Amino acid sequence: GENVEQHPSTLSVQEGDSAVIKCTYSDSASNYFPWYKQELGKGPQLIIDIRSNVGEKKDQRIAVTLNKTAKHFSLHITETQPEDSAVYFCAAPHGSGNTGKLIFGQGTTLQVKP
Amino acid sequence: KAGVTQTPRYLIKTRGQQVTLSCSPISGHRSVSWYQQTPGQGLQFLFEYFSETQRNKGNFPGRFSGRQFSNSRSEMNVSTLELGDSALYLCASRSQGATTYEQYFGPGTRLTVT
Repeated sequence: GENVEQHPSTLSVQEGDSAVIKCTYSDSASNYFPWYKQELGKGPQLIIDIRSNVGEKKDQRIAVTLNKTAKHFSLHITETQPEDSAVYFCAAPHGSGNTGKLIFGQGTTLQVKP
Repeated sequence: KAGVTQTPRYLIKTRGQQVTLSCSPISGHRSVSWYQQTPGQGLQFLFEYFSETQRNKGNFPGRFSGRQFSNSRSEMNVSTLELGDSALYLCASRSQGATTYEQYFGPGTRLTVT
């Protein structure tokens, strides 16, 4: 079945440093890759996504890269701030992106130390 | 626009009881998906509804069911509750355009089964 692997499970960085979270997926038909941030007591918040027709997408301090050949994608956060501390999830759709069924990675707990 | 809303936010039930959770999607969104989040299993897809029809179903027992109303609001029901059903239940909505993949989550309903 479909599978999304996410690494690392925990990540601790100093404020101002960069953080990188990596994911691999198994379904070759997947064409959409979102990243979610979940803070304590809240639902996952969509922070950035990428489609299979591009290799990189940036939004201020956040960027996502995609390597379709290797079936992996990564989240990059630069100049980290304490408010970036949260659990981050990658996901891939079951088949095409036009579906509500997302397969999630196990999550990465990011701690940014002031 | 208001975000996805879920009620109630917290529930405590006893083993063997049943429970109904409610979700109101973002205005104009017609697709609603439900997920279960637990520390051990992470985020797992339950089902997706569009135009009052179930489009996708995850790997959960038949005790888990859902429905969608004509105004796109959705409910999920869990019958004969088990201790293992304790989890955060999340609802997410999508716009359901052919190229609109973004899915937005509500805050969740925290269900505790004792």
